[in-house]
Amino acid sequence: AQRVTQPEKLLSVFKGAPVELKCNYSYSGSPELFWYVQYSRQRLQLLLRHISRESIKGFTADLNKGETSFHLKKPFAQEEDSAMYYCALDRGSTLGRLYFGRGTQLTVWP
Amino acid sequence: SAVISQKPSRDICQRGTSLTIQCQVDSQVTMMFWYRQQPGQSLTLIATANQGSEATYESGFVIDKFPISRPNLTFSTLTVSNMSPEDSSIYLCSVEGGQPRGYGYTFGSGTRLTVV
Repeated sequence: AQRVTQPEKLLSVFKGAPVELKCNYSYSGSPELFWYVQYSRQRLQLLLRHISRESIKGFTADLNKGETSFHLKKPFAQEEDSAMYYCALDRGSTLGRLYFGRGTQLTVWP
Repeated sequence: SAVISQKPSRDICQRGTSLTIQCQVDSQVTMMFWYRQQPGQSLTLIATANQGSEATYESGFVIDKFPISRPNLTFSTLTVSNMSPEDSSIYLCSVEGGQPRGYGYTFGSGTRLTVV
C-alpha cells in the first residue's frame, strides 16, 4: 500500500536559516510526488512537482528513489515561507488519486 | 491552471440535516475530485466525479452519505447527508491542473463544515 510520511508536524527556524521539510513515501511503483503549500487564509496550492525538477520561491525537492524520499529544501528561509506544507503522492495509474502526508507547519521567525 | 469557485466557504449545521457544497470550474475538465480534511488530519479523497457517469467512491465512503452530482464538465456538487458532529471537516474539490500527467492538481478554497 502507498503511504506518505511527514515526520515533523511543526518546524520552526529563524529567518535566513536553511530549512528542510522531510517527506518519505512507500510505494512499489513509480510515483509522482508533489509539494503543496497552504498559506494562512489561502487555498491549498501546488508548490513543486518532481517531474519538472524546478525551483519555486527558492524551494527545491529531489526525488530519491533509493531512500524513497522527497524532502523540500530552501537554503535561506524567509518569514513569508511560514505556512502548512503537504507532501503528496500520485501513483501514476489512478488519475487524481493523491495520497497526502499529514502536513508540516513551518514557522519562520524574524 | 483552472480556477475553482467553491461555496459555501463555511457553514454551521444541525445534526441530522444535509448540506450541499458546490464546485464551479472556469474550464471544462473530465474529472473532479472531492476531498475531506478532518481536524488535525490530512486530506483524504472521498470520490471522483465523472460527467455522465456515477461517481467512484473510495473505501470508507458511500453514495448514500455523500451523494455527488456532475451535470456538466464545469460543475459538481457534494452533499453531506444526515450529518453528525463527526462530519465536521473541511471539504475540498479539486481538478487536474493540466497536461501532461504530473502537472499537479488545483484545489478549491474549501468548505469548513461544523455540525452541532
